Amino acid sequence: AQKITQTQPGMFVQEKEAVTLDCTYDTSDQSYGLFWYKQPSSGEMIFLIYQGSYDEQNATEGRYSLNFQKARKSANLVISASQLGDSAMYFCAMKGNAGNMLTFGGGTRLMVKP
Amino acid sequence: DAGITQSPRHKVTETGTPVTLRCHQTENHRYMYWYRQDPGHGLRLIHYSYGVKDTDKGEVSDGYSVSRSKTEDFLLTLESATSSQTSVYFCAIGTAQGGYTFGSGTRLTVV
Repeated sequence: AQKITQTQPGMFVQEKEAVTLDCTYDTSDQSYGLFWYKQPSSGEMIFLIYQGSYDEQNATEGRYSLNFQKARKSANLVISASQLGDSAMYFCAMKGNAGNMLTFGGGTRLMVKP
Repeated sequence: DAGITQSPRHKVTETGTPVTLRCHQTENHRYMYWYRQDPGHGLRLIHYSYGVKDTDKGEVSDGYSVSRSKTEDFLLTLESATSSQTSVYFCAIGTAQGGYTFGSGTRLTVV
């Protein structure tokens, strides 16, 4: 069985600073994918970034980067230069070999202070 | 440009009544999913479909059934709604990258 753990229920960050949202995972699959989604207060789920287990480089998408440490089974999201619009819930998720299903963590609520 | 729509967006129903939520896609994706979102639990998979008339259970399937008679429609039915099924329900479709595109969600309240 796969499990995703996000240990930070809520976090504050000052505008323009960088922030790291933690995600650890547990799986016995050799091949898997890791995802981060953002859910603003409006409720929609927005895909941010993807990392494959065999990717040698950490994924980056604009101000988002994924700090992938395979041996530690961690896939932390780093947001650089936080903006007020980054205030939202953030979910880490994983897809393994079993079917095409995503398993989600419990989420982290990020609040950006002006 | 929404390729996936959910209806209704909001619903209030009474305990014991049947409820059906609809998910419609225009992307011709094979895989479709129903999740529920509850505080502290993130999103949990209820049921999913991997083709017309091909469905399977997820992590929290008790009390729910699904049907997929056409590629574009995936229905979630609560046969007899209970207060524990008050939640936000998301439909999703699989993408080539292996991630999902989500619908806008249905907020269901069972009173």
